Amino acid sequence: GIQVEQSPPDLILQEGANSTLRCNFSDSVNNLQWFHQNPWGQLINLFYIPSGTKQNGRLSATTVATERYSLLYISSSQTTDSGVYFCAVSKDTDKLIFGTGTRLQVFP
Amino acid sequence: NAGVTQTPKFRVLKTGQSMTLLCAQDMNHEYMYWYRQDPGMGLRLIHYSVGEGTTAKGEVPDGYNVSRLKKQNFLLGLESAAPSQTSVYFCASSYWFGELFFGEGSRLTVL
Repeated sequence: GIQVEQSPPDLILQEGANSTLRCNFSDSVNNLQWFHQNPWGQLINLFYIPSGTKQNGRLSATTVATERYSLLYISSSQTTDSGVYFCAVSKDTDKLIFGTGTRLQVFP
Repeated sequence: NAGVTQTPKFRVLKTGQSMTLLCAQDMNHEYMYWYRQDPGMGLRLIHYSVGEGTTAKGEVPDGYNVSRLKKQNFLLGLESAAPSQTSVYFCASSYWFGELFFGEGSRLTVL
């Protein structure tokens, strides 16, 4: 099956800093999504982005499908951005496979 | 519009007991999923359903059963709970190849 690797595993930032999270996958995909799990455990869908670039406020994502990676950019980070960010992918199936996540801590 | 709702939110079982987790969605989604989340392991798919009356196995199906008798509901059952099934369980739903929406999770402890 498809392997999903996320980096870095942990990231510590001060408020206002920018960051880039990476998701590598081992095969071509036609479904890729980014999620944020807040410190209370709630999972929120950030982007559905099998290819191309999307932006939503301070967050943006880019997927380069031909090179099998996706990037999540967080600009001007805030303490509310803390939590775990997951990338999930699938190819020709309904089953999304999740990476192990990047844990982000933003300090004031 | 409640989205995806899971009950119960917390449960403690003794080894060998049985229980059912209920997931309900009001978005008219065809697809529904049950995931488990363990520390450091991300989310792993247990079972899923592509429509009313259908179920299929995911990555870690052993020890679990599911049913989808109504489109809006997806039940996850543990017939004989084991300590290895201590986890946080998430239900999710989506349209075909669409955005995945999660419930708030159910924390299960098996003693």
